[in-house]
Amino acid sequence: AQKVTQAQTEISVVEKEDVTLDCVYETRDTTYYLFWYKQPPSGELVFLIRRNSFDEQNEISGRYSWNFQKSTSSFNFTITASQVVDSAVYFCALIGTAGNNRKLIWGLGTSLAVNP
Amino acid sequence: NAGVMQNPRHLVRRRGQEARLRCSPMKGHSHVYWYRQLPEEGLKFMVYLQKENIIDESGMPKERFSAEFPKEGPSILRIQQVVRGDSAAYFCASSPRAGARTDTQYFGPGTRLTVL
Repeated sequence: AQKVTQAQTEISVVEKEDVTLDCVYETRDTTYYLFWYKQPPSGELVFLIRRNSFDEQNEISGRYSWNFQKSTSSFNFTITASQVVDSAVYFCALIGTAGNNRKLIWGLGTSLAVNP
Repeated sequence: NAGVMQNPRHLVRRRGQEARLRCSPMKGHSHVYWYRQLPEEGLKFMVYLQKENIIDESGMPKERFSAEFPKEGPSILRIQQVVRGDSAAYFCASSPRAGARTDTQYFGPGTRLTVL
């Protein structure tokens, strides 16, 4: 079975603080893909990043960075110098590669509030 | 490029009525996915379609729900005889090419269905 766990339900920080959102996954597939999506208060789902299981390089995009550690089955997301506009629900998701699978398996999300 | 379009954005139905949700994929995309976001349950996969074909409907409720993606026109998610438990946000996503697992699913803004 595949599963994604985001243990932090809600996080509240003050603007300019760094914040890390945790994501732990379970899968028996040897090849899989991990994703982060953002859902701002307006409700749409915005794609942030995709990571292949065979590529453990960390990635940085502006104030966003992702730490993928296969040994601990984690794919954590850090926002540096957070801003009020970062307030949103963030979802981690997984796609395995067995059969014709194309379904994203989602964590329950972490609601991030960045306060001025 | 226009993104994934969904309409209506908000839909109110009384119990027993039918709900039709429409999704137009991004230009050049020929694969469509529907997900449902229920409070306290998170996002769940419903169905994966290509033009004129249902590829995976393992997440669809057995009764009252159907989906299609005709050769021409948008994908339609149809819910017959709606009940209060169908109240949720319904998201459509699309992906390009041959639906490879490496393809990212890009989401529309969602349709918020409220059943009175």
